[in-house]
Amino acid sequence: QKEVEQNSGPLSVPEGAIASLNCTYSDRGSQSFFWYRQYSGKSPELIMSIYSNGDKEDGRFTAQLNKASQYVSLLIRDSQPSDSATYLCAVSAGGGNKLTFGTGTQLKVEL
Amino acid sequence: NAGVMQNPRHLVRRRGQEARLRCSPMKGHSHVYWYRQLPEEGLKFMVYLQKENIIDESGMPKERFSAEFPKEGPSILRIQQVVRGDSAAYFCASSPFAGRDYNEQFFGPGTRLTVL
Repeated sequence: QKEVEQNSGPLSVPEGAIASLNCTYSDRGSQSFFWYRQYSGKSPELIMSIYSNGDKEDGRFTAQLNKASQYVSLLIRDSQPSDSATYLCAVSAGGGNKLTFGTGTQLKVEL
Repeated sequence: NAGVMQNPRHLVRRRGQEARLRCSPMKGHSHVYWYRQLPEEGLKFMVYLQKENIIDESGMPKERFSAEFPKEGPSILRIQQVVRGDSAAYFCASSPFAGRDYNEQFFGPGTRLTVL
């Protein structure tokens, strides 16, 4: 079992729709959860962090965390073509610890 | 630019040569992490350093790879006697502190290493 699992996609959504990206993790001791966006040939860019159960909203992005189910998700509202990228879920045991990444979900937002 | 800086951005080496990758963390950040991304694979942790200390090197290959973060100057990832399998993108990330709930890591642009 992989430590952090994501559907590789591609996930295709029409422009203006909601994109829903999911991630599960195996380590129940995980404390910190992150979503990064990575464009092809570029470095990961942090877009959301979440530490407590529930929802966290930042602009068009909403991160959702359910520690009991070991599940993290990212919703992107009003998807734009510029959102087309690979989204990486990352998990950590907490401060001063490494990030364990999923293999990423490729999102394609179509005109 | 207050972001994480890495150089060189592209590095070409022949098998058996040494590669030195440098990383300067964001201003005010004292924690540095190195990750490697192999073609078509995910990001894998290699090593975590603070000034003059290696905190976690559980992801480092046992041979040929070493890392340091001296009191002065950038963090260095050193690969001796490179082989073709070392060809990858190497990313450095930094974070401001290691508090329980705050472990946001910010990535540099990466060094693309090609071994001929």
